[in-house]
Amino acid sequence: QVQLQESGPGLVKPSQTLSLTCTVSGGSISSGSYYWSWIRQSAGKGLEWIGRIYTSGSTNYNPSLKSRVTISVDTSKNQFSLKLSSVTAADTAVYYCASGQVPSVGRVNAMDVWGQGTTVTVSS
Amino acid sequence: EIVLTQSPATLSLSPGERATLSCRASQSVSSYLAWYQQKPGQAPRLLIYDASNRATGIPARFSGSGSGTDFTLTISSLEPEDFAVYYCQQRSNWLALTFGGGTKVEIK
Repeated sequence: QVQLQESGPGLVKPSQTLSLTCTVSGGSISSGSYYWSWIRQSAGKGLEWIGRIYTSGSTNYNPSLKSRVTISVDTSKNQFSLKLSSVTAADTAVYYCASGQVPSVGRVNAMDVWGQGTTVTVSS
Repeated sequence: EIVLTQSPATLSLSPGERATLSCRASQSVSSYLAWYQQKPGQAPRLLIYDASNRATGIPARFSGSGSGTDFTLTISSLEPEDFAVYYCQQRSNWLALTFGGGTKVEIK
């Protein structure tokens, strides 16, 4: 059973770049039928999808965050990462990594594995 | 952006009662809707995908229905561990996934 674990700084200064990593265990991040996502949850905006990366390295980003987001994958470490630039207090949230199967008939077409989440506060 | 509106915001019920949660989409999402359960301090847990399919290990008291713009999550008989917040999420717009604002099921 695949498990995910987020890691990274809990405090980031305004205007800086937030960087988080998600470590995949119990399976290979290189599995072709999966995608790897980041979602955040704040009191003000609820659950917000940030974006996803496929094992091919191609990415999709939330249009509202696209200009500031980069998601990358390191297959040698079985990890994928999130970078969010020019952060403000509005980016304070719990950040989750999650995974799911690329939709197809007969598959579980949703994000069925989630990390426990990591809290990131943007403050000087 | 597809907006998902959940109602009610809070549902106050007793154990053993039936819970009916609603999720309405601003445009058709076909059957591409999932439901998640979240307890305090925990990550969301997938309950239902593609409107009516239970995820692995989810008890039969959870069921989903609907298509197009109107969806329902039903918990046939509430167990103590079912008191939580429930979210719907659409994947119809694959490049812009969105979640509903949540329904809190609390003990009456």
